[in-house]
Amino acid sequence: AQSVTQLDSHVSVSEGTPVLLRCNYSSSYSPSLFWYVQHPNKGLQLLLKYTSAATLVKGINGFEAEFKKSETSFHLTKPSAHMSDAAEYFCVVTNTGGFKTIFGAGTRLFVKA
Amino acid sequence: NAGVMQNPRHLVRRRGQEARLRCSPMKGHSHVYWYRQLPEEGLKFMVYLQKENIIDESGMPKERFSAEFPKEGPSILRIQQVVRGDSAAYFCASSLETRDRGEQYFGPGTRLTVT
Repeated sequence: AQSVTQLDSHVSVSEGTPVLLRCNYSSSYSPSLFWYVQHPNKGLQLLLKYTSAATLVKGINGFEAEFKKSETSFHLTKPSAHMSDAAEYFCVVTNTGGFKTIFGAGTRLFVKA
Repeated sequence: NAGVMQNPRHLVRRRGQEARLRCSPMKGHSHVYWYRQLPEEGLKFMVYLQKENIIDESGMPKERFSAEFPKEGPSILRIQQVVRGDSAAYFCASSLETRDRGEQYFGPGTRLTVT
């Protein structure tokens, strides 16, 4: 069975400070993992994806994530938050074999000036 | 290359009416997915379609909901006899490859309000 847990429903940071959004997954198969961002009243935009290549994945807008199999984690980070990063972030897992895609519940990121 | 298109963006229906939501995937994409997002919740998978085929509908409610992706034209999510609990944002996504490898590109969503 697959599942994905985003450990924080809300994260608040100051502009210019690092961002850490945590995601743990479980999957019986080799997973593919994704992070998406959703700005208010908008669709979702892909930030980055992991599909069994390099474990450190770089995405758009300065975000990156590291796949750690031993910890079953895929945390999203950014060295310096910008006001425009304020949004909701979703960690997503799917797997080889084409089973259903599972979304985490989301983490809402607040960025203070 | 236009992104995933969804229409209408907003749809208001009275209880008991039918709602039809349309999704045009990105050019060249033959895999389409529908998701529902309830207020303050994440997205829940509903159905995965390829051209003329339903691959996985395990997330679809057993009654009143149906989806299709014909050979020509957009994918349609149809909700018959809508109820208040159907009020949500419905997102469509498409991918070039199968869902285990291909990133999904999302449309802007259709916000359905049932009065």
